[in-house]
Amino acid sequence: AQSVAQPEDQVNVAEGNPLTVKCTYSVSGNPYLFWYVQYPNRGLQFLLKYITGDNLVKGSYGFEAEFNKSQTSFHLKKPSALVSDSALYFCAVRDMNNYGQNFVFGPGTRLSVLP
Amino acid sequence: DAGVTQSPTHLIKTRGQQVTLRCSPKSGHDTVSWYQQALGQGPQFIFQYYEEEERQRGNFPDRFSGHQFPNYSSELNVNALLLGDSALYLCASSLEGNEQFFGPGTRLTVL
Repeated sequence: AQSVAQPEDQVNVAEGNPLTVKCTYSVSGNPYLFWYVQYPNRGLQFLLKYITGDNLVKGSYGFEAEFNKSQTSFHLKKPSALVSDSALYFCAVRDMNNYGQNFVFGPGTRLSVLP
Repeated sequence: DAGVTQSPTHLIKTRGQQVTLRCSPKSGHDTVSWYQQALGQGPQFIFQYYEEEERQRGNFPDRFSGHQFPNYSSELNVNALLLGDSALYLCASSLEGNEQFFGPGTRLTVL
């Protein structure tokens, strides 16, 4: 069975500082990993994905994520946080070789960027 | 491209009633998935439709049912509503298992 853990309910960071939102996963096959962001009263917006290849994936709005197979992690990062990055962030996983399998989402991490 | 659209935006029902939510996928997408997001939680998978058939189902009771039409649009039906069904219902479309694109959601309140 697939599962996703986001060990931090809340991450606070000062504007201009680097940010990291953590994600670890469990999947039986090769993982297909995603990050989504959700602003208040809105649906989820796709940020980036890892399929294969480079372990460092670049996505929208200056975000990037690092895939670490040995640690089964896919942490989201940004070199310099903006106040407008404050939102709810979700990590999701799917078994890459099972097209019919649903995506499993983590519980979410609330990011607050303080001015 | 309009992206994924959902209707209605908000809905208020009373216990025991039935509700139908609608979703139009992003152009070119053939797969529609439905999720329930309770307040403060991550989305929980309800079911996925592909080629007008339910391909996979999450841990939700039979009160939750769906349909996909030939134009790939989809409906989510919930019968005998309970207070606990109050949530944001998200529709996501994709093309054969690639990244899912989400609609804005339908906020259902059950009184």
